[in-house]
Amino acid sequence: GESVGLHLPTLSVQEGDNSIINCAYSNSASDYFIWYKQESGKGPQFIIDIRSNMDKRQGQRVTVLLNKTVKHLSLQIAATQPGDSAVYFCAESGNSGGSNYKLTFGKGTLLTVNP
Amino acid sequence: DAGITQSPRHKVTETGTPVTLRCHQTENHRYMYWYRQDPGHGLRLIHYSYGVKDTDKGEVSDGYSVSRSKTEDFLLTLESATSSQTSVYFCAILGRSNTGELFFGEGSRLTVL
Repeated sequence: GESVGLHLPTLSVQEGDNSIINCAYSNSASDYFIWYKQESGKGPQFIIDIRSNMDKRQGQRVTVLLNKTVKHLSLQIAATQPGDSAVYFCAESGNSGGSNYKLTFGKGTLLTVNP
Repeated sequence: DAGITQSPRHKVTETGTPVTLRCHQTENHRYMYWYRQDPGHGLRLIHYSYGVKDTDKGEVSDGYSVSRSKTEDFLLTLESATSSQTSVYFCAILGRSNTGELFFGEGSRLTVL
Protein backbone atom coordinates (compact mmCIF):
# COMPACT_ATOMS: atom_id res chain seq x y z
CA GLY A 1 0.00 0.00 0.00
CA GLU A 2 0.86 3.68 -0.12
CA SER A 3 1.80 5.98 2.69
CA VAL A 4 3.54 9.29 2.96
CA GLY A 5 7.21 8.69 3.82
CA LEU A 6 7.61 5.37 1.94
CA HIS A 7 9.22 4.68 -1.43
CA LEU A 8 6.88 4.00 -4.33
CA PRO A 9 5.22 0.64 -3.71
CA THR A 10 4.20 -1.61 -6.55
CA LEU A 11 1.27 -3.89 -7.16
CA SER A 12 1.23 -6.49 -9.90
CA VAL A 13 -2.02 -8.22 -10.84
CA GLN A 14 -3.35 -10.48 -13.57
CA GLU A 15 -5.78 -9.11 -16.10
CA GLY A 16 -9.30 -9.69 -14.91
CA ASP A 17 -8.41 -9.78 -11.22
CA ASN A 18 -9.53 -7.15 -8.75
CA SER A 19 -6.93 -4.65 -7.51
CA ILE A 20 -6.79 -2.94 -4.15
CA ILE A 21 -4.53 0.06 -3.63
CA ASN A 22 -4.14 1.42 -0.13
CA CYS A 23 -3.29 4.82 1.27
CA ALA A 24 -2.71 5.99 4.82
CA TYR A 25 -3.16 9.64 5.69
CA SER A 26 -2.05 11.50 8.78
CA ASN A 27 -4.23 14.61 8.97
CA SER A 28 -7.33 13.81 11.01
CA ALA A 29 -8.80 17.15 9.90
CA SER A 30 -8.83 16.11 6.24
CA ASP A 31 -12.37 16.12 4.94
CA TYR A 32 -11.98 15.37 1.27
CA PHE A 33 -10.05 12.65 -0.54
CA ILE A 34 -9.33 11.96 -4.18
CA TRP A 35 -7.71 9.20 -6.16
CA TYR A 36 -5.71 10.12 -9.26
CA LYS A 37 -4.29 7.96 -12.03
CA GLN A 38 -1.10 8.95 -13.81
CA GLU A 39 0.00 7.24 -16.98
CA SER A 40 3.59 7.46 -18.13
CA GLY A 41 4.45 10.89 -19.53
CA LYS A 42 1.10 12.44 -18.63
CA GLY A 43 -0.39 14.53 -15.88
CA PRO A 44 -2.53 12.96 -13.14
CA GLN A 45 -6.19 12.39 -13.94
CA PHE A 46 -9.12 12.26 -11.54
CA ILE A 47 -10.62 8.85 -10.85
CA ILE A 48 -12.96 9.18 -7.89
CA ASP A 49 -13.40 11.23 -4.75
CA ILE A 50 -15.04 10.87 -1.36
CA ARG A 51 -15.92 13.23 1.48
CA SER A 52 -15.30 12.46 5.11
CA ASN A 53 -19.03 12.06 5.84
CA MET A 54 -19.04 8.93 3.67
CA ASP A 55 -17.26 5.60 4.03
CA LYS A 56 -17.80 4.22 0.55
CA ARG A 57 -18.35 5.54 -2.92
CA GLN A 58 -18.64 3.65 -6.18
CA GLY A 59 -17.85 4.62 -9.73
CA GLN A 60 -17.52 2.69 -12.91
CA ARG A 61 -15.36 -0.34 -11.98
CA VAL A 62 -13.84 1.61 -9.08
CA THR A 63 -14.77 1.87 -5.43
CA VAL A 64 -13.20 4.06 -2.79
CA LEU A 65 -13.40 3.10 0.88
CA LEU A 66 -12.65 5.48 3.71
CA ASN A 67 -11.93 4.41 7.27
CA LYS A 68 -11.55 7.55 9.34
CA THR A 69 -10.92 5.64 12.53
CA VAL A 70 -7.57 4.38 11.28
CA LYS A 71 -7.07 7.14 8.68
CA HIS A 72 -7.02 4.72 5.78
CA LEU A 73 -8.22 5.05 2.22
CA SER A 74 -8.38 2.37 -0.44
CA LEU A 75 -9.12 2.17 -4.13
CA GLN A 76 -10.61 -0.99 -5.51
CA ILE A 77 -10.53 -1.64 -9.25
CA ALA A 78 -12.75 -4.44 -10.51
CA ALA A 79 -11.77 -6.65 -13.43
CA THR A 80 -8.43 -4.91 -13.88
CA GLN A 81 -7.43 -4.27 -17.47
CA PRO A 82 -4.03 -3.58 -19.09
CA GLY A 83 -5.14 0.03 -19.56
CA ASP A 84 -5.30 0.37 -15.79
CA SER A 85 -1.52 0.08 -15.57
CA ALA A 86 -0.37 3.40 -14.12
CA VAL A 87 0.72 5.13 -10.93
CA TYR A 88 -2.14 5.82 -8.55
CA PHE A 89 -2.06 8.67 -6.05
CA CYS A 90 -4.31 9.43 -3.16
CA ALA A 91 -4.73 13.07 -2.19
CA GLU A 92 -6.32 14.78 0.79
CA SER A 93 -7.59 18.22 1.65
CA GLY A 94 -8.69 19.78 4.90
CA ASN A 95 -10.37 22.84 3.47
CA SER A 96 -12.47 22.00 0.45
CA GLY A 97 -13.61 25.16 -1.25
CA GLY A 98 -11.85 27.50 1.13
CA SER A 99 -9.60 30.35 0.09
CA ASN A 100 -6.48 28.32 0.71
CA TYR A 101 -7.75 25.16 -0.90
CA LYS A 102 -4.96 22.76 -1.74
CA LEU A 103 -4.40 19.02 -2.04
CA THR A 104 -1.65 17.02 -0.39
CA PHE A 105 -0.60 13.96 -2.35
CA GLY A 106 0.75 10.62 -1.30
CA LYS A 107 3.78 9.19 -3.06
CA GLY A 108 1.86 6.85 -5.34
CA THR A 109 1.53 3.14 -6.06
CA LEU A 110 2.60 1.62 -9.36
CA LEU A 111 0.01 -0.82 -10.67
CA THR A 112 1.12 -3.28 -13.33
CA VAL A 113 -1.47 -5.44 -15.04
CA ASN A 114 -0.16 -8.62 -16.61
CA PRO A 115 -2.06 -9.99 -19.63
CA ASP B 1 -9.92 18.82 -21.12
CA ALA B 2 -9.61 21.84 -18.81
CA GLY B 3 -7.76 23.91 -21.39
CA ILE B 4 -4.39 23.92 -19.62
CA THR B 5 -1.21 24.48 -21.59
CA GLN B 6 2.26 24.36 -20.12
CA SER B 7 5.34 25.76 -21.81
CA PRO B 8 8.00 24.83 -22.43
CA ARG B 9 7.33 21.09 -22.23
CA HIS B 10 11.05 20.33 -22.06
CA LYS B 11 13.99 22.50 -21.08
CA VAL B 12 17.65 21.92 -20.36
CA THR B 13 19.52 24.71 -18.66
CA GLU B 14 22.66 25.33 -16.67
CA THR B 15 23.06 25.97 -12.96
CA GLY B 16 22.65 29.62 -12.08
CA THR B 17 20.46 30.59 -15.02
CA PRO B 18 16.93 31.94 -14.61
CA VAL B 19 14.05 29.83 -15.84
CA THR B 20 10.37 30.65 -16.24
CA LEU B 21 7.66 28.09 -16.80
CA ARG B 22 4.29 29.22 -18.02
CA CYS B 23 0.86 27.79 -17.32
CA HIS B 24 -1.97 29.03 -19.47
CA GLN B 25 -5.66 28.23 -19.02
CA THR B 26 -8.55 29.21 -21.20
CA GLU B 27 -11.55 28.71 -18.90
CA ASN B 28 -11.23 31.54 -16.39
CA HIS B 29 -10.55 29.33 -13.37
CA ARG B 30 -9.70 31.16 -10.19
CA TYR B 31 -7.33 28.69 -8.52
CA MET B 32 -4.05 27.62 -10.13
CA TYR B 33 -1.23 25.51 -8.73
CA TRP B 34 2.35 24.53 -9.41
CA TYR B 35 3.54 21.10 -8.29
CA ARG B 36 6.82 19.33 -8.79
CA GLN B 37 7.10 15.58 -9.15
CA ASP B 38 10.20 13.62 -8.19
CA PRO B 39 10.80 9.89 -7.75
CA GLY B 40 10.07 8.86 -4.19
CA HIS B 41 8.32 12.14 -3.35
CA GLY B 42 5.16 12.12 -5.41
CA LEU B 43 3.62 15.52 -6.14
CA ARG B 44 4.63 18.40 -3.90
CA LEU B 45 3.03 21.81 -3.95
CA ILE B 46 5.35 24.71 -4.75
CA HIS B 47 3.02 27.72 -4.93
CA TYR B 48 -0.60 28.36 -5.69
CA SER B 49 -2.81 31.24 -6.64
CA TYR B 50 -6.39 31.99 -5.63
CA GLY B 51 -6.83 35.02 -7.87
CA VAL B 52 -5.01 37.67 -9.84
CA LYS B 53 -2.03 38.84 -7.79
CA ASP B 54 -3.08 36.53 -4.94
CA THR B 55 -0.55 33.79 -4.35
CA ASP B 56 0.67 31.70 -1.45
CA LYS B 57 3.47 29.28 -0.70
CA GLY B 58 3.25 25.53 -0.74
CA GLU B 59 5.45 23.02 1.03
CA VAL B 60 8.52 23.35 -1.25
CA SER B 61 8.54 27.03 -2.20
CA ASP B 62 12.21 27.85 -1.49
CA GLY B 63 14.03 28.87 -4.68
CA TYR B 64 10.80 29.55 -6.57
CA SER B 65 8.66 32.59 -7.18
CA VAL B 66 5.35 32.95 -8.98
CA SER B 67 3.31 35.66 -10.60
CA ARG B 68 -0.32 35.91 -11.66
CA SER B 69 -0.90 39.21 -13.43
CA LYS B 70 -3.95 37.94 -15.30
CA THR B 71 -6.40 35.13 -14.74
CA GLU B 72 -5.23 32.93 -17.57
CA ASP B 73 -1.49 32.83 -16.84
CA PHE B 74 0.41 31.55 -13.82
CA LEU B 75 4.19 31.81 -14.11
CA LEU B 76 6.73 29.85 -12.10
CA THR B 77 10.23 31.35 -11.95
CA LEU B 78 13.49 29.86 -10.80
CA GLU B 79 15.68 32.92 -10.29
CA SER B 80 18.90 30.90 -10.27
CA ALA B 81 18.36 27.27 -11.18
CA THR B 82 20.09 24.54 -9.20
CA SER B 83 20.52 20.85 -9.96
CA SER B 84 18.09 20.01 -7.15
CA GLN B 85 15.38 21.73 -9.17
CA THR B 86 15.67 19.16 -11.93
CA SER B 87 12.15 17.78 -11.95
CA VAL B 88 8.87 17.49 -13.78
CA TYR B 89 6.65 20.47 -13.06
CA PHE B 90 2.88 20.24 -13.25
CA CYS B 91 0.42 23.06 -13.36
CA ALA B 92 -3.11 22.43 -12.14
CA ILE B 93 -6.38 24.31 -11.93
CA LEU B 94 -9.30 23.82 -9.58
CA GLY B 95 -12.45 22.86 -11.44
CA ARG B 96 -15.66 24.78 -10.96
CA SER B 97 -17.56 21.93 -9.34
CA ASN B 98 -17.58 21.86 -5.56
CA THR B 99 -15.76 18.54 -5.52
CA GLY B 100 -12.32 20.07 -5.17
CA GLU B 101 -10.94 18.18 -8.15
CA LEU B 102 -7.74 19.46 -9.69
CA PHE B 103 -7.11 19.25 -13.43
CA PHE B 104 -3.48 18.90 -14.42
CA GLY B 105 -1.46 19.98 -17.41
CA GLU B 106 0.84 17.62 -19.27
CA GLY B 107 3.93 18.67 -17.35
CA SER B 108 7.21 20.48 -18.05
CA ARG B 109 10.41 18.50 -17.72
CA LEU B 110 13.27 20.67 -16.52
CA THR B 111 16.89 19.50 -16.39
CA VAL B 112 19.46 21.68 -14.66
CA LEU B 113 23.03 20.71 -15.51
